[in-house]
Amino acid sequence: EAGVAQSPRYKIIEKRQSVAFWCNPISGHATLYWYQQILGQGPKLLIQFQNNGVVDDSQLPKDRFSAERLKGVDSTLKIQPAKLEDSAVYLCASSGRTGGSGNTIYFGEGSWLTVV
Amino acid sequence: KQEVTQIPAALSVPEGENLVLNCSFTDSAIYNLQWFRQDPGKGLTSLLLIQSSQREQTSGRLNASLDKSSGRSTLYIAASQPGDSATYLCAVDSGNTPLVFGKGTRLSVIA
Repeated sequence: EAGVAQSPRYKIIEKRQSVAFWCNPISGHATLYWYQQILGQGPKLLIQFQNNGVVDDSQLPKDRFSAERLKGVDSTLKIQPAKLEDSAVYLCASSGRTGGSGNTIYFGEGSWLTVV
Repeated sequence: KQEVTQIPAALSVPEGENLVLNCSFTDSAIYNLQWFRQDPGKGLTSLLLIQSSQREQTSGRLNASLDKSSGRSTLYIAASQPGDSATYLCAVDSGNTPLVFGKGTRLSVIA
């Protein structure tokens, strides 16, 4: 079974530029997550999708971050304009065939963003 | 608000030693707790998931325990190997809120 795929793996941009990350979850997984992990910290949830609906985006900085999951499969996370403090690893994860608590979460290898 | 703390932040041990990583959480009303491993430049790999009704889970040389009432979990690694070197994170699922992660323990096993 293929894992969670993410691209690009690495991206360096200047502040105020825009960037987009793509995620393809494990086949059949209804729940998709985007996490932000700053160096030395644990991951912090940005947004959670159940199929193509948003379950939780309370920690998403909506003035600059946006995410969508059209057709309930792939997802993209966009940052525009980027700030220096957005430098982090952006982890996509998926879980369960019906979502919900108790399902193991599978993470992709992350997209590493450096804003200079 | 759930808070997760992991101690120590970093640990260095010689190969072959048994070791314990600690995780504590402030709100005992949890559904489950997971331990993850993160290698440098990689994503997270789930090691063990303990449901709130369980006391422990074992996988190979790893054993995770959960004491929900005291808000503690431990990850026990037996006969450590250099390949165990990684950052270990615990995360708490309280059901209707996002997973809350600790900052991790960075483990180095010296050959």
